[in-house]
Amino acid sequence: ETGVTQTPRHLVMGMTNKKSLKCEQHLGHNAMYWYKQSAKKPLELMFVYSLEERVENNSVPSRFSPECPNSSHLFLHLHTLQPEDSALYLCASSQGVTNNSPLHFGNGTRLTVT
Amino acid sequence: AQSVTQLGSHVSVSEGALVLLRCNYSSSVPPYLFWYVQYPNQGLQLLLKYTSAATLVKGINGFEAEFKKSETSFHLTKPSAHMSDAAEYFCAVIAGYSSASKIIFGSGTRLSIRP
Repeated sequence: ETGVTQTPRHLVMGMTNKKSLKCEQHLGHNAMYWYKQSAKKPLELMFVYSLEERVENNSVPSRFSPECPNSSHLFLHLHTLQPEDSALYLCASSQGVTNNSPLHFGNGTRLTVT
Repeated sequence: AQSVTQLGSHVSVSEGALVLLRCNYSSSVPPYLFWYVQYPNQGLQLLLKYTSAATLVKGINGFEAEFKKSETSFHLTKPSAHMSDAAEYFCAVIAGYSSASKIIFGSGTRLSIRP
């Protein structure tokens, strides 16, 4: 299997649930990202994990918790979410974090919070 | 700080017609510029990138973009639209030697193709 794989593709959860999104990249990259894509809004960077840096967007609520056990896997743990957290969550990877490192995206997890 | 503006949230063209998607950027240092495409129910895919080599950049699927510093623009074009080009297109900018994590995406332009 190649590229960036995200599971599940769709997730419906109540506000009191705990769930996790999984991302796996098979490209040999060493940087991984979580983005949030909401309707009519620009992509929002949530977290970056790489050998060179770890970035956390300070505006991301603590109910989102990332985990990066190795360079190929990235998780996003979710708990006590709000309806406004419903969105498409995209994982991406790149070879390094230089300005010349294009992002390779997975197909996303469509999250609906009820 | 850098920013990117995509003019027109929705563009509709006839099959076989010219496609022109507009992108203007703002950056205090020489930028790196990208166009990504997102097909329905998929993630974003890199179309092309400008990295200060040639000002006219050719990408996949017959798309190209021209970097115009004087106009701070990086418009995406394709001479003849195909039905399969229907998708959302995102322009993105990284300022100079910044990290890839600093990439800024535009709000996107949805391209529709009329038969």
